[in-house]
Amino acid sequence: NAGVTQTPKFRILKIGQSMTLQCTQDMNHNYMYWYRQDPGMGLKLIYYSVGAGITDKGEVPNGYNVSRSTTEDFPLRLELAAPSQTSVYFCASSPRTGPTEAFFGQGTRLTVV
Amino acid sequence: QQQVKQSPQSLIVQKGGISIINCAYENTAFDYFPWYQQFPGKGPALLIAIRPDVSEKKEGRFTISFNKSAKQFSLHIMDSQPGDSATYFCAALYPGGTYKYIFGTGTRLKVLA
Repeated sequence: NAGVTQTPKFRILKIGQSMTLQCTQDMNHNYMYWYRQDPGMGLKLIYYSVGAGITDKGEVPNGYNVSRSTTEDFPLRLELAAPSQTSVYFCASSPRTGPTEAFFGQGTRLTVV
Repeated sequence: QQQVKQSPQSLIVQKGGISIINCAYENTAFDYFPWYQQFPGKGPALLIAIRPDVSEKKEGRFTISFNKSAKQFSLHIMDSQPGDSATYFCAALYPGGTYKYIFGTGTRLKVLA
């Protein structure tokens, strides 16, 4: 059971480039989330999804887009990368059965230069 | 209203001592309060969690104390060990069907051998 898998683990982007951070989970969880983690700032919610075909903005959505075509996959798209998007990105998922644990992936460390 | 304030930012404790991390929240609608532990290079993982109808929950050396009237909760690590050295995040779950997790800013704990 792999849990939540994120790819790539590391990436360096040039300003203005675009990329997609991949996230897939094999636990059949309905809820999925994207967070970014910056030093001293904790985890900030970028986007979340309550099920396939449904997504919504979190606290810091600007500069990002998401899609949720299947239960398993929740990719995060960065368009026109900026240095402010240098961060560690975490994908997480949780089951539909009420308040419970969120399972996190290993993270993607992104540097925009 | 959606913030969770966490303190201290960093903590150094001697082996065998007690580590205490505090969190405060504003939104009384939050209905689930987990603590996550994160080791370097890894995603956060659930350590222990509490619902607001309970004042204390203990699992091994880890205890959550919850004060609903003060809107505060804390993590106590008894007999702290060097292996407990990690970053700890408190969180609160925002209800209403979306199950968004709002995280504190994190506490970096170092336990000296």
